[in-house]
Amino acid sequence: QVQLVQSGAEVKKPGSSVKVSCKASGGTFSSYTISWVRQAPGQGLEWMGRIIPILGIANYAQKFQGRVTITADKSTSTAYMELSSLRSEDTAVYYCARAGVVVGTIYFDIWGQGTMVTVSS
Amino acid sequence: EIVLTQSPGTLSLSPGERATLSCRASQSVSSSYLAWYQQKPGQAPRLLIYGASSRATGIPDRFSGSGSGTDFTLTISRLEPEDFAVYYCQQYGSSPTTFGQGTKVEIK
Repeated sequence: QVQLVQSGAEVKKPGSSVKVSCKASGGTFSSYTISWVRQAPGQGLEWMGRIIPILGIANYAQKFQGRVTITADKSTSTAYMELSSLRSEDTAVYYCARAGVVVGTIYFDIWGQGTMVTVSS
Repeated sequence: EIVLTQSPGTLSLSPGERATLSCRASQSVSSSYLAWYQQKPGQAPRLLIYGASSRATGIPDRFSGSGSGTDFTLTISRLEPEDFAVYYCQQYGSSPTTFGQGTKVEIK
């Protein structure tokens, strides 16, 4: 059974960048997509973008366009999410989650454990 | 983008009672591409229902989903102690995928 294992908590200064990793343990990305979803403290879930690792194609939510970059390394079954120009409002838990590729399968059946990113001066 | 509105915000019930959670979309959800998730404090969300009514692997049959178009419902037939949590709906028929703001099911 595939598990998604994320990198550890980060504390960043405003204006800097953070890069979070998500490794598929016990399997590969195969023909799935990996999305990044964030959750600010006490708030709901917000989709940021996704990548199709076997193709290397990413697309992003309009809100994060220009500020987020999602990449994947097929050889290590690891996906990455880099968020730049950090501000305090980016303080949140960031999750990676697996979904299908085709329309109708883009629900998230496997989630990483989450990575807390704190932005503070 | 499609806005999902969940109601009520909080549901106070006792173990053994029936829970009915609502998710209303600002426009029709294509092909009932709607999912439900459960989230407990400090944990990642867990997929319960996809395709509006299909239970995910390992999900007990006390959880059921229904609905189409703009109105969807998650029903928990008899609440178990481990069911007290926050529940989110997600539509994935239209890009970008969006989530509701959540319904908290708390012990009365």
